Amino acid sequence: GAVVSQHPSWVICKSGTSVKIECRSLDFQATTMFWYRQFPKQSLMLMATSNEGSKATYEQGVEKDKFLINHASLTLSTLTVTSAHPEDSSFYICSASIPGIDSNQPQHFGDGTRLSIL
Amino acid sequence: RKEVEQDPGPFNVPEGATVAFNCTYSNSASQSFFWYRQDCRKEPKLLMSVYSSGNEDGRFTAQLNRASQYISLLIRDSKLSDSATYLCVAHNAGNMLTFGGGTRLMVKP
Repeated sequence: GAVVSQHPSWVICKSGTSVKIECRSLDFQATTMFWYRQFPKQSLMLMATSNEGSKATYEQGVEKDKFLINHASLTLSTLTVTSAHPEDSSFYICSASIPGIDSNQPQHFGDGTRLSIL
Repeated sequence: RKEVEQDPGPFNVPEGATVAFNCTYSNSASQSFFWYRQDCRKEPKLLMSVYSSGNEDGRFTAQLNRASQYISLLIRDSKLSDSATYLCVAHNAGNMLTFGGGTRLMVKP
């Protein structure tokens, strides 16, 4: 089945550091990738939709200058949390959709990245 | 109002019990629905799709009522390994997914 790899799985860093998270589709080309954030005991909240070769579409309330998304190829999207602060600590999850509508599984999820900002 | 709403629980049940989760959605244009399972500190994993005709997979049965905009998940003969958070998910245009807040299940010996 479709596999999405996310790296790193866990990051601990100091406040003010910028952190890059990679999301790769390993065995398929993903024209669209999605970035979610999940705070403890809350559900996944969509941050942005990333389309290959174009600018990402951000959800309301998500700062585009804070969360930089690059989707330069059909198999890789990156999320950079710039100048991260403790309130950015969260579980970040990416997903990818295969072109066309897959009614049985519309998105394939990465393993997630746990970000802890000290 | 959230687009997909669930009772957060937790549901504490003994092994072998039958437990049912409910979910309501507000976007009548949602194309399809899913139940996902999420373990602590892990990504969500697809459990099953939900159809109006009902969908059964072993001990799990999912049902969709479009008229009431209501979705259910029934788990029979609960196992300890069923302990997790169950997410009700609506599939919308553009392959977009909207997640409910999740219902936490704790199965105890």
